[in-house]
Amino acid sequence: ETGVTQTPRHLVMGMTNKKSLKCEQHLGHNAMYWYKQSAKKPLELMFVYNFKEQTENNSVPSRFSPECPNSSHLFLHLHTLQPEDSALYLCASSQEIGNTGELFFGEGSRLTVL
Amino acid sequence: GESVGLHLPTLSVQEGDNSIINCAYSNSASDYFIWYKQESGKGPQFIIDIRSNMDKRQGQRVTVLLNKTVKHLSLQIAATQPGDSAVYFCAENSGGYQKVTFGTGTKLQVIP
Repeated sequence: ETGVTQTPRHLVMGMTNKKSLKCEQHLGHNAMYWYKQSAKKPLELMFVYNFKEQTENNSVPSRFSPECPNSSHLFLHLHTLQPEDSALYLCASSQEIGNTGELFFGEGSRLTVL
Repeated sequence: GESVGLHLPTLSVQEGDNSIINCAYSNSASDYFIWYKQESGKGPQFIIDIRSNMDKRQGQRVTVLLNKTVKHLSLQIAATQPGDSAVYFCAENSGGYQKVTFGTGTKLQVIP
């Protein structure tokens, strides 16, 4: 139990579907992140939120839409995805922006796009 | 662009032996270097970090060495156990704000 909970753990969707990934952290952290993990590729930072404000959008296509209603919750809204978007999507949180690099990850949401 | 990379994709070690996982980095401006462990079906878990002004840092059964001259980072695991089997990632944080860049990972297999 890392204190970061992601749902759903597995998701299969068609290219025309709209779905959302949810992340909740119980650690009292101020910063939350979305990472994409594909096979044999480094983790790719997608979005960073600090105190509910987006501070990083790492050139992510608009078919991925993040939402951070408060410091404890983070969503990733998905629409008209492509098969190459199939990956493990990891949510993480940290104490504050600019710390040592210690991130607390959830177990991920495994996404398959058909 | 800046990158963090790993020398070997897989490493097999006999149980009880010491493991050494290596990493090369290219961003001289990084403030912190970090090691993460990812077990199957789980997210990455922080192991240990080292600040750029240090050469060595020890934790419980783990030691991280930083050689800034050759831009090399290593993780040493003493008395490797089956529970150490996982993928290990090196990562760097350039500081200023939280932008942690990860390497591709090394899979550690512990042979009983």
